[in-house]
Amino acid sequence: EVQLVESGGGLVQPGGSLRLSCAASGFTFSNYWMHWVRQAPGKGLVWVSRVQSDGSATRYADSVKGRFTISRDNAKNTLYLQMNSLRAEDTAVYFCARVIAASGTGGYFDYWGQGTLVTVSS
Amino acid sequence: QSVLTQPPSVSGAPGQRVTISCTGSSSNIGAGYNVYWYQQLPGTAPKFLISGNSDRPSGVPDRFSGSKSGTSASLAITGLQAEDEADYYCQSYDISLSLWVFGGGTKVTVL
Repeated sequence: EVQLVESGGGLVQPGGSLRLSCAASGFTFSNYWMHWVRQAPGKGLVWVSRVQSDGSATRYADSVKGRFTISRDNAKNTLYLQMNSLRAEDTAVYFCARVIAASGTGGYFDYWGQGTLVTVSS
Repeated sequence: QSVLTQPPSVSGAPGQRVTISCTGSSSNIGAGYNVYWYQQLPGTAPKFLISGNSDRPSGVPDRFSGSKSGTSASLAITGLQAEDEADYYCQSYDISLSLWVFGGGTKVTVL
């Protein structure tokens, strides 16, 4: 059974940092590109970042570029999101998701984690 | 402001048919990128429901169907049931923005 379990969320002050983790199991993690998607309270889904299956290529939404870093450890079957210089508008539930795509663009998210809440507030 | 536009809400009585539209542009749906639909029950993670050409993962009832034409797509739910009450999101890829895009979501209410 495919499972994605996020952790690392919490309350952080503006300007602070957090590192989210997503532990994967039930599939060959190193074969899949992985994404982070976030959802602010009461709002819709917003794509955040993507990492290639071997970690060699990454992409970010403009709103987080230069502040967030996506990475992965295929030996540990774990996806990460390092979030620096956090702002109030980064407050959201962060989901990790596995993508099914024929190439590095397009595709859909077939499995999602349960999400971890990040709250940026003083 | 979402790149893909959905109605905020739709409603229907049990057994009725409801449709949710998803309007994009020539840089996403109109560029040939497929559209995918997700169901999000309250307090849970999104769940992949169906693609624009009605491909469904196992376990998704055939009451759900998808279609795509030009720069738009639709999700139809026939024989609406109380358990279908949820938020529904469409998703595609935008070649101009080089990112994955979602609609703003549609809340389905079963009357």
